[in-house]
Amino acid sequence: NAGVMQNPRHLVRRRGQEARLRCSPMKGHSHVYWYRQLPEEGLKFMVYLQKENIIDESGMPKERFSAEFPKEGPSILRIQQVVRGDSAAYFCASSLRAGLNRANNEQFFGPGTRLTVL
Amino acid sequence: GIQVEQSPPDLILQEGANSTLRCNFSDSVNNLQWFHQNPWGQLINLFYIPSGTKQNGRLSATTVATERYSLLYISSSQTTDSGVYFCAVVDNQGGKLIFGQGTELSVKP
Repeated sequence: NAGVMQNPRHLVRRRGQEARLRCSPMKGHSHVYWYRQLPEEGLKFMVYLQKENIIDESGMPKERFSAEFPKEGPSILRIQQVVRGDSAAYFCASSLRAGLNRANNEQFFGPGTRLTVL
Repeated sequence: GIQVEQSPPDLILQEGANSTLRCNFSDSVNNLQWFHQNPWGQLINLFYIPSGTKQNGRLSATTVATERYSLLYISSSQTTDSGVYFCAVVDNQGGKLIFGQGTELSVKP
C-alpha cells in the first residue's frame, strides 16, 4: 500500500514564475491537507480539501496561492508569480476520515516538495 | 485557537541515554500525533495517541487529555534518533493539525 506521494521532490523557480506541486493521497483516503514549513520553523497548515471541495483554507495566503483536489487525479497546490519568501518545504498529508471523535482521522505525510525561488 | 508548546526546544544526548519530551496544549483535544522529522526532512508518524499509553520498540508515549499534556519517551537512544520531534493536535473543527515548534534532538556516538 503506497504512502502519500508528492512530486516533484525538488523544484527551482525564478521570481515571477508559477509553481505547481502535486499530491496523491494514500489509497482510499479522500481528505487531503497541505502544510508549509519555512526554514528553521515548524509546520503551518495551509488548506484542507475533500474531493472537489475546499473545506478549510484559513491558512492560505489570500493572493497567488490556490489549491484543488479534482474528482480524478492528484491534489494540486499552485503558486503564481513566486517570490523568494515562498521558498519552503511543502508537505501534503491525507487521512481516511476527518472530524472530532472519529476513528481513522490520523494524518499521514508525504516526503514533501522543496521549493527554491531564485 | 489551540496553542501547542513543546519542551525542551533542544536536547543533546549521548548514545544509550534516555529522554522525555513534553507537549502541552491549551484546550481539550480528541486527537494528538507525534512525528519524527529525520535529517533528510521526512516526517515519520510515531504515535496517534489522543489518550492513554502506547509503546513501539524503544519509544513510548503517554497522553493525559484531562491535564492537557503528552509525553514522548525515548529509551536507549541511538544516533538514528536524531532529528526534530513534533507534537500536533487536531483543531476544534476536527480538520487541520496544529503543530508545536518541535524538540531538536541530537544523539552523539
